[in-house]
Amino acid sequence: EPEVTQTPSHQVTQMGQEVILRCVPISNHLYFYWYRQILGQKVEFLVSFYNNEISEKSEIFDDQFSVERPDGSNFTLKIRSTKLEDSAMYFCAREGGYNEQFFGPGTRLTVL
Amino acid sequence: GDSVTQMEGPVTLSEEAFLTINCTYTATGYPSLFWYVQYPGEGLQLLLKATKADDKGSNKGFEATYRKETTSFHLEKGSVQVSDSAVYFCALSDQGTGFQKLVFGTGTRLLVSP
Repeated sequence: EPEVTQTPSHQVTQMGQEVILRCVPISNHLYFYWYRQILGQKVEFLVSFYNNEISEKSEIFDDQFSVERPDGSNFTLKIRSTKLEDSAMYFCAREGGYNEQFFGPGTRLTVL
Repeated sequence: GDSVTQMEGPVTLSEEAFLTINCTYTATGYPSLFWYVQYPGEGLQLLLKATKADDKGSNKGFEATYRKETTSFHLEKGSVQVSDSAVYFCALSDQGTGFQKLVFGTGTRLLVSP
């Protein structure tokens, strides 16, 4: 059973549209992360989220991105106006002990 | 800033061959080091970790030793199997307060043939 589930597994959208990617941890945790992996490239940190607030964000995470935990369970990443270069795998992760992180299976976002 | 450098792939081996995937890092602090594995169509799974110099992480026959003097964390396995075919990512996180982000290398694809 995965530590974290993500929906959808694949999202296709038109450039300029808004997308919401969802992450659901199996158990109750406070610290979450979003990463992305552009095809064939390295996994890049986007944002960390602790206790319902952004803890740290990368320079990739500009005003087009936002995160929230609207119902205390689901953890979402919103991209307001998608660009072609947003096409990537997006991974959600939750904290473990000793700086470990447990990743979800990812959402493949394709922007046309 | 912190960074991780991995050897280019793909690495192609026959079953039962010895595996080494090189990983070196640059960090301002004293990081924890990790190897993650990504099987086809799946997310990232933690394979092993080490939190201080000379620590050896091990799991499923894979090993890596935290070498502070050479800033390295090379992944090794004595005898690979076809089922080990995957992409392997070396990563680090700073040991600051709270939970720190992971900084990944580019990944190394391993292909094992029967």
